[in-house]
Amino acid sequence: ILNVEQSPQSLHVQEGDSTNFTCSFPSSNFYALHWYRWETAKSPEALFVMTLNGDEKKKGRISATLNTKEGYSYLYIKGSQPEDSATYLCAFKEDNAGNMLTFGGGTRLMVKP
Amino acid sequence: NAGVTQTPKFRVLKTGQSMTLLCAQDMNHEYMYWYRQDPGMGLRLIHYSVGEGTTAKGEVPDGYNVSRLKKQNFLLGLESAAPSQTSVYFCASSTGWAYGYTFGSGTRLTVV
Repeated sequence: ILNVEQSPQSLHVQEGDSTNFTCSFPSSNFYALHWYRWETAKSPEALFVMTLNGDEKKKGRISATLNTKEGYSYLYIKGSQPEDSATYLCAFKEDNAGNMLTFGGGTRLMVKP
Repeated sequence: NAGVTQTPKFRVLKTGQSMTLLCAQDMNHEYMYWYRQDPGMGLRLIHYSVGEGTTAKGEVPDGYNVSRLKKQNFLLGLESAAPSQTSVYFCASSTGWAYGYTFGSGTRLTVV
């Protein structure tokens, strides 16, 4: 079983604050790293899929970076809004050896108006 | 497009009963997955399929069976439900490992 860890587990920020959180994964046999946004009472929604070391992805105010050599990815939210409140999941896909996407426990973000 | 549709949305079973959860996708995705989500455990893969007629075990397959007779449908069966199978079940589909998954809305199952 692969170890995919996210930190912090939860985060409270004020509207307008910028924030970031971390996903750590094994630094060997990398294939892909996924980020998902999961709002309460809804299903997870794909944000980014990153496959190359140094990848940077952006979608509106949300961006992500990837370092496969050291085994981490950062998700950044610029100018947080209440509608950004959700749990953010990362998921790691190992090359060849496995056929599973292993999810981290998530970071729960709460943005106060 | 409907995307990924799961039925039923809620179910209560008695210990020892059987049931089948249906997942249907209309995106022509090859890959389909069943996950369970438990408090403090995150999403854990039960079984998956990489194409019509194929299935494979995930991280927590015991007590479950699956079938993929048609490309658009992935069925999850519980032959003899146990209280430990109380969970929220999510189905997902994708084009492949390097593509984002599309999730269904979940099935909340309680086994009493």
